[in-house]
Amino acid sequence: DTAVSQTPKYLVTQMGNDKSIKCEQNLGHDTMYWYKQDSKKFLKIMFSYNNKELIINETVPNRFSPKSPDKAHLNLHINSLELGDSAVYFCASSHDVRGDSYEQYFGPGTRLTVT
Amino acid sequence: DAKTTQPNSMESNEEEPVHLPCNHSTISGTDYIHWYRQLPSQGPEYVIHGLTSNVNNRMASLAIAEDRKSSTLILHRATLRDAAVYYCILRDFRIYQSGNTPLVFGKGTRLSVIA
Repeated sequence: DTAVSQTPKYLVTQMGNDKSIKCEQNLGHDTMYWYKQDSKKFLKIMFSYNNKELIINETVPNRFSPKSPDKAHLNLHINSLELGDSAVYFCASSHDVRGDSYEQYFGPGTRLTVT
Repeated sequence: DAKTTQPNSMESNEEEPVHLPCNHSTISGTDYIHWYRQLPSQGPEYVIHGLTSNVNNRMASLAIAEDRKSSTLILHRATLRDAAVYYCILRDFRIYQSGNTPLVFGKGTRLSVIA
């Protein structure tokens, strides 16, 4: 069973379109994240949700809107896609455990190409 | 976030031990030292973490200097499957009062394993 899954794996679209990436985790985790890995391979946090509530939003354009319908899902909707949005997007999840830093589990990534 | 410094790349022969260094001279008392790795075309995966004492798990060992200003990830017998980018990350669990602190990735060390 895949712990953290993302769909689609590849997404090619044109500038100006609106697209969504879905993420699901079956680990029973409380917290989910979206990371972006650009062409230079830098991985950066975009959003973090804990129990369906947004707790981190790292200077991401408001064209990006995460939605968490339940604890197991965190979807990423992107409006008016731009060339610079081309990247690999990773979803991740972790337990909400106080007093220690537990590992995050990452999905396989969604490679978004905007033409 | 406290910063880490790692060599850009390292090379190892298969079946040999590998020592991946990480400097974190500005580490604070509440920073955990985490290691993740990213295999080609995959999402990052957790390797190991520690606070003060050396740690062992089935994947690797983590040796932490007494002053905590540096650490070394040890792969006891490198295999071709260990070829990846290895990230040394500091996480202060107090920031968000829970274990779900987002990961701040640096450039990491690209490990090549030669058969």
